[in-house]
Amino acid sequence: NAGVTQTPKFQVLKTGQSMTLQCAQDMNHNSMYWYRQDPGMGLRLIYYSASEGTTDKGEVPNGYNVSRLNKREFSLRLESAAPSQTSVYFCASSELSGADTEAFFGQGTRLTVV
Amino acid sequence: DAKTTQPTSMDCAEGRAANLPCNHSTISGNEYVYWYRQIHSQGPQYIIHGLKNNETNEMASLIITEDRKSSTLILPHATLRDTAVYYCIVRALYGNKLVFGAGTILRVKS
Repeated sequence: NAGVTQTPKFQVLKTGQSMTLQCAQDMNHNSMYWYRQDPGMGLRLIYYSASEGTTDKGEVPNGYNVSRLNKREFSLRLESAAPSQTSVYFCASSELSGADTEAFFGQGTRLTVV
Repeated sequence: DAKTTQPTSMDCAEGRAANLPCNHSTISGNEYVYWYRQIHSQGPQYIIHGLKNNETNEMASLIITEDRKSSTLILPHATLRDTAVYYCIVRALYGNKLVFGAGTILRVKS
């Protein structure tokens, strides 16, 4: 049982380049999330998808787009990377409702924009 | 979802109980209290959650006050491996968002 898998684990981009961060979960969860974490800071929600076919903005959506490709996969795209987007990106999944709605996180993608 | 307030940092001696407080004075009736922790730069890990009754699992205990405006996470016998950032989150049972605050840095010292 892999849980939440993020690819790649590390990436260096030049300013202006684009890339897509991939996330897949095998727990049949409805909800998925993308966060960023800057050094010494807490996690900030970028986008989330409550269920397949829906996406909503979080706290810091500017400069990002997302796609909920299917129930398993939720990707995050940077169209034109900027140094301010240097961060660690975490994907998470959880059930939408019910008592057992704890979230499971991937191990992160460490992105550096130069 | 209601906002939470936690101390910035705390120290605890190894082998002693670590008591991490959280204030959530604007919590509403359908909101749960969740605790996560993040060790070094790994992805956060779920610890425990509760609505109004005290809860215990293999990792920790959660004590929620009767008025539900605050809670305490208890690690009964802290070890060096419990050094982490601990996040208290309030989330509706049917809520979609999962928003983290700054958390509490817990340092367990030998």
